[in-house]
Amino acid sequence: AQTVTQSQPEMSVQEAETVTLSCTYDTSESDYYLFWYKQPPSRQMILVIRQEAYKQQNATENRFSVNFQKAAKSFSLKISDSQLGDAAMYFCALNYGGSQGNLIFGKGTKLSVKP
Amino acid sequence: KAGVTQTPRYLIKTRGQQVTLSCSPISGHRSVSWYQQTPGQGLQFLFEYFSETQRNKGNFPGRFSGRQFSNSRSEMNVSTLELGDSALYLCASSLYGPSSGNTIYFGEGSWLTVV
Repeated sequence: AQTVTQSQPEMSVQEAETVTLSCTYDTSESDYYLFWYKQPPSRQMILVIRQEAYKQQNATENRFSVNFQKAAKSFSLKISDSQLGDAAMYFCALNYGGSQGNLIFGKGTKLSVKP
Repeated sequence: KAGVTQTPRYLIKTRGQQVTLSCSPISGHRSVSWYQQTPGQGLQFLFEYFSETQRNKGNFPGRFSGRQFSNSRSEMNVSTLELGDSALYLCASSLYGPSSGNTIYFGEGSWLTVV
């Protein structure tokens, strides 16, 4: 079975500082993709960053970067220079190939940004 | 380019009734997936349609059904509503589907309250 675990239900960060959200996953597949989605109060899921498992290089999107440790099955999200607009629920998700492709989400981490 | 559009955004139904939710994917996207989001269970996969065919189905009772039309628009139906069906229903679209690692784009969701 494929699982995604986010061990931090809530996190808090000071504006302009850096915060890291943790995610671990379990899959027996060799070909898979990992995502971080942001869900603000509007509830629309917004893609933050995407990582292909076969790529060793960590993905980066502006202030957002990941630390992908394939052997450890860890996929953490680092947000640099945190902004008030970063406050949201963050979901880690796993997507693998095969006949049952769909997104498997973690429970989410609620990020608060203090001014 | 218009995003994923879901209608209605909010609705209240009575136990025992049925409900139909609609989703218009991003133009050109052929895959539509549906997810249920509740505080207790988090985000759970309902089903995925591609070119009018259901390719994958999550672990939900038969009261939950869906379909996709030739223009890729999709509807999901829940019959004999129960209080536990109260949730945010999210629709997501992608070019070829989750199993191919495509980026998946979400709509703003339909809030269903069953009373």
